Amino acid sequence: QKEVEQDPGPLSVPEGAIVSLNCTYSNSAFQYFMWYRQYSRKGPELLMYTYSSGNKEDGRFTAQVDKSSKYISLFIRDSQPSDSATYLCAMSDGYSSASKIIFGSGTRLSIRP
Amino acid sequence: DGGITQSPKYLFRKEGQNVTLSCEQNLNHDAMYWYRQDPGQGLRLIYYSQIVNDFQKGDIAEGYSVSREKKESFPLTVTSAQKNPTAFYLCASQEGGTDTQYFGPGTRLTVL
Repeated sequence: QKEVEQDPGPLSVPEGAIVSLNCTYSNSAFQYFMWYRQYSRKGPELLMYTYSSGNKEDGRFTAQVDKSSKYISLFIRDSQPSDSATYLCAMSDGYSSASKIIFGSGTRLSIRP
Repeated sequence: DGGITQSPKYLFRKEGQNVTLSCEQNLNHDAMYWYRQDPGQGLRLIYYSQIVNDFQKGDIAEGYSVSREKKESFPLTVTSAQKNPTAFYLCASQEGGTDTQYFGPGTRLTVL
């Protein structure tokens, strides 16, 4: 079993829809959670960073962490064609100065105009 | 502009050749990482370095080598011992005190 599971998609939704992207994990020691966006043939860029449980909002993006269920989500409101990309979740236990980050395999998202 | 640069963007290698991928950062980050990304797969850690003159193997280090002579630079050599090197290679640096990593634009390596 992988430490981090993420549905690869592809996920296709119409412009303006609310998008929900999810990851599950097995290591209860994870306490730092991140979402990255990766456009085709580019490096990933950090979208959201959260510590422990709860919600964090940044513009149209909301990150949600449920440590009791070992489940994290990224919601995108008012989705735009420019949101079409692969979204990677990532997490770590943060117990060392350069602790290893475990990445999900990514969900490919397509927003239809 | 602060950031991470990787060169070249595209690299072609003949079988049996060693090639070196460049990674430079001006973010003043101590930790740097090399990942490999294959289609449909997540990022797999090749090597990482927490400080100058020190580095550790990641999950798939076989066939790769690195050096860390300067804080700003972390080059990766793909040796002829790497049996399936065709992939997208990503370099990242990590902000101290957090687990936030910042990525370069990547190098796509193709073996001819």
